[in-house]
Amino acid sequence: DAGVTQSPTHLIKTRGQQVTLRCSPKSGHDTVSWYQQALGQGPQFIFQYYEEEERQRGNFPDRFSGHQFPNYSSELNVNALLLGDSALYLCASSFQGAGYNEQFFGPGTRLTVL
Amino acid sequence: GQNIDQPTEMTATEGAIVQINCTYQTSGFNGLFWYQQHAGEAPTFLSYNVLDGLEEKGRFSSFLSRSKGYSYLLLKELQMKDSASYLCAVPGGATNKLIFGTGTLLAVQP
Repeated sequence: DAGVTQSPTHLIKTRGQQVTLRCSPKSGHDTVSWYQQALGQGPQFIFQYYEEEERQRGNFPDRFSGHQFPNYSSELNVNALLLGDSALYLCASSFQGAGYNEQFFGPGTRLTVL
Repeated sequence: GQNIDQPTEMTATEGAIVQINCTYQTSGFNGLFWYQQHAGEAPTFLSYNVLDGLEEKGRFSSFLSRSKGYSYLLLKELQMKDSASYLCAVPGGATNKLIFGTGTLLAVQP
């Protein structure tokens, strides 16, 4: 049973560029959440997708957008990259019907903006 | 809103016991999670507490006091591989997004 997978593992971009990160949830999960984790900090919630719609959004600008596909996989898009967007981007999946909504994390994508 | 506080760093000796504290403020309470995160890796689930008291799972135990807004993670018989960041998190909002503390970086020394 594959866990949460993310691609790519590492990515280097320059300021102003656009990036797309991908996530496949754990088998049986239908909800995907995205987090940004800066060095030395805890993960910060970006947004969550369920039934192909954004259900909740954290305190991130509109440059951050996402999508969920019918197979529950998800993409995170970031436009007009800034140096401050350099971080580990984590995808977490969960099952909406679970009792306490434990979230399983993928290995993350390390984004470096130069 | 939600706020979580935990110490930034701790150091302990191999074979010893260490307690990592977490205090939280939430507008509603739906349990508290502890995650372990090794450098450059994804957080992995350690424990979930929703009722007061101690939950034991092998070398790791987690305690919750809802009236005090307080939790701790207890690690016994420390091993070098326990060197990691330990994240305290609470679900927030209707979607149960996780609100994380900054994490406690634990260094286990020989």
